[in-house]
Amino acid sequence: GAVVSQHPSWVICKSGTSVKIECRSLDFQATTMFWYRQFPKQSLMLMATSNEGSKATYEQGVEKDKFLINHASLTLSTLTVTSAHPEDSSFYICSASPGQSTDTQYFGPGTRLTVL
Amino acid sequence: GEDVEQSLFLSVREGDSSVINCTYTDSSSTYLYWYKQEPGAGLQLLTYIFSNMDMKQDQRLTVLLNKKDKHLSLRIADTQTGDSAIYFCALSGGYNKLIFGAGTRLAVHP
Repeated sequence: GAVVSQHPSWVICKSGTSVKIECRSLDFQATTMFWYRQFPKQSLMLMATSNEGSKATYEQGVEKDKFLINHASLTLSTLTVTSAHPEDSSFYICSASPGQSTDTQYFGPGTRLTVL
Repeated sequence: GEDVEQSLFLSVREGDSSVINCTYTDSSSTYLYWYKQEPGAGLQLLTYIFSNMDMKQDQRLTVLLNKKDKHLSLRIADTQTGDSAIYFCALSGGYNKLIFGAGTRLAVHP
């Protein structure tokens, strides 16, 4: 149980285009979903927290107009990287929390974005 | 804010025990977690410990928590090549957030 999927697993796009990444909780309802960014050989950096039906809460330094997050249902959140540039190339990982007292987050497999 | 530190690299021989250490600064976290990340993949939750516990064992995994020293460790018994990965400790940081260490890369050699 507690499976989280991401789609696509990897994407290559041209500079200036927008890319949408989906995160789904497959066998549980996620009251909260999180989006992280991970650079090579580094830890995860939290970008934003989203609750279903609410606006996402972005971490300091993360541009909300650049990284659009939509959490339309209890099983789906999307991250759209708008007007992508090469410096946006990274590994993006989502996680979902069923809202248990343990605050446990279940992670997706990640999406590798390469912007040419 | 919370600071979580891990040693970056650990090399062990297959069959030996591995001990991955983590220190932190803020002792208010209710839960402390260990995640495993294999190359090119997301994070897999291995185990977690409640802050009022000293030890938790789950098959080959043993988690020790020393709240006085703010030290968390993960022991993997009979380490196998399939255990080679990056291991992250994480603390609950409030508002359902997790605060991660930098990760320890475990290399298992024959």
